[in-house]
Amino acid sequence: NAGVTQTPKFRVLKTGQSMTLLCAQDMNHEYMYWYRQDPGMGLRLIHYSVGEGTTAKGEVPDGYNVSRLKKQNFLLGLESAAPSQTSVYFCASTLGGNQPQHFGDGTRLSIL
Amino acid sequence: AQKITQTQPGMFVQEKEAVTLDCTYDTSDPSYGLFWYKQPSSGEMIFLIYQGSYDQQNATEGRYSLNFQKARKSANLVISASQLGDSAMYFCAMRDRGSTLGRLYFGRGTQLTVWP
Repeated sequence: NAGVTQTPKFRVLKTGQSMTLLCAQDMNHEYMYWYRQDPGMGLRLIHYSVGEGTTAKGEVPDGYNVSRLKKQNFLLGLESAAPSQTSVYFCASTLGGNQPQHFGDGTRLSIL
Repeated sequence: AQKITQTQPGMFVQEKEAVTLDCTYDTSDPSYGLFWYKQPSSGEMIFLIYQGSYDQQNATEGRYSLNFQKARKSANLVISASQLGDSAMYFCAMRDRGSTLGRLYFGRGTQLTVWP
């Protein structure tokens, strides 16, 4: 009954460091998304994927890269972390159509 | 322009009372879907209810119902018989045909506090 699993749950980085956030879903969903949540801003789309091997930019893609080598996994990378990337990151997936997006529990990332 | 507007940063309701959380949306697409999510203090996003633009009836899910007024472009969430566990942040979201492949536009949320 895993659904959408995000790792890690918490991370503290120094400015300039790199890291990868992993999202895994076991629902055979085609569509996957990465959002960031900042206080008072709701959720904003970073990147998304409509299937294995495909990715595209969302609303706030700068400073991030993504890959979807396997259908069940969607990776979000920060090549050179900046304090402005301190946020809570959510991964979501859906079958599409009228189906809701299912969210992971989030990754709280702090950049010092 | 904001696609989703939630004008109530915070709402308070007494236990067992009903509460309405406001949401207005902006789209010119005749086909769209509206979603409500709950985010408790633990942080996860929980899907509550969905309303499609062509649905003839207002959506209901247990104690949750959606007051859908298409002409006014509003999709307010009604929680009946509030419980202490309903205290959380609530987000309204929309997907329309202009939404890139199912992405959701989120409002900024309403923090609901239920008091005994």
